[in-house]
Amino acid sequence: ETGVTQTPRHLVMGMTNKKSLKCEQHLGHNAMYWYKQSAKKPLELMFVYNFKEQTENNSVPSRFSPECPNSSHLFLHLHTLQPEDSALYLCASSQELAGVSYNEQFFGPGTRLTVL
Amino acid sequence: AQKITQTQPGMFVQEKEAVTLDCTYDTSDQSYGLFWYKQPSSGEMIFLIYQGSYDEQNATEGRYSLNFQKARKSANLVISASQLGDSAMYFCAMREMDSGYALNFGKGTSLLVTP
Repeated sequence: ETGVTQTPRHLVMGMTNKKSLKCEQHLGHNAMYWYKQSAKKPLELMFVYNFKEQTENNSVPSRFSPECPNSSHLFLHLHTLQPEDSALYLCASSQELAGVSYNEQFFGPGTRLTVL
Repeated sequence: AQKITQTQPGMFVQEKEAVTLDCTYDTSDQSYGLFWYKQPSSGEMIFLIYQGSYDEQNATEGRYSLNFQKARKSANLVISASQLGDSAMYFCAMREMDSGYALNFGKGTSLLVTP
C-alpha cells in the first residue's frame, strides 16, 4: 500500500449504531487530519494529530471521537450520529516542519458516510 | 468570515484550451501558503501546486501555473492545454503560519472539459 488509505470507502449506518473509520498513512509523516466534506460546503477541518497528540479540535460534537494510536494510524469513532452528519470524511497526512508553511497534505480517498 | 473565495461554481473549457480558475484569500498574516487541489469524482484530493507568500516567482508545475497577485490577494490557477481528464472539482486552500496546521479551503470550482 502506498500513500494514504481509508476504510471503509462507503458506510451506511443508523443513528443508534457505533462504527469506526480507519485511516493509515504509509508516508512516514508525523501529522494526520480528519476533514468533513458536506455538499456545497468547504472542507471542514475536524481534528489534527501531531506526533500522536491531538493539537486541534474544531468544535466537533462529541459523537465524533478520534483516536491516534501511532503516527501511521488514525481512527474516527462514530456513535449516535445524525442524518446531517452524512458526508465524505477525508483523512490526510503531512510532514510538519517548524516554521514552514509548505507542508503539503496528502489525502486519502475518503469514506462516504450515510446516516439513516 | 470566509478566508478563501472561489467565485466560479462551474466552468467549461474546450479540450486543448487554457482555463483560469479564480481564488481570492483573506489574511493578515505575513507568512502563509496557498495550495490548489483537484478532486475527481472518485473523491481523493490531489495536490497540484503551491505558492508561498514570500515567493516572488509564480509557481508552475507542468500544465499548472499559479497567477499570484499578492497586493490583490489572489491566487488564480491556470491550466494550459486542457485535457478531458482535467474534469473535476478544484479547490483553493490557504495555510496561515500563525493558525496552526489548518488548511482553509474554498467551496471549489467544478471544471468540465469538453471535446
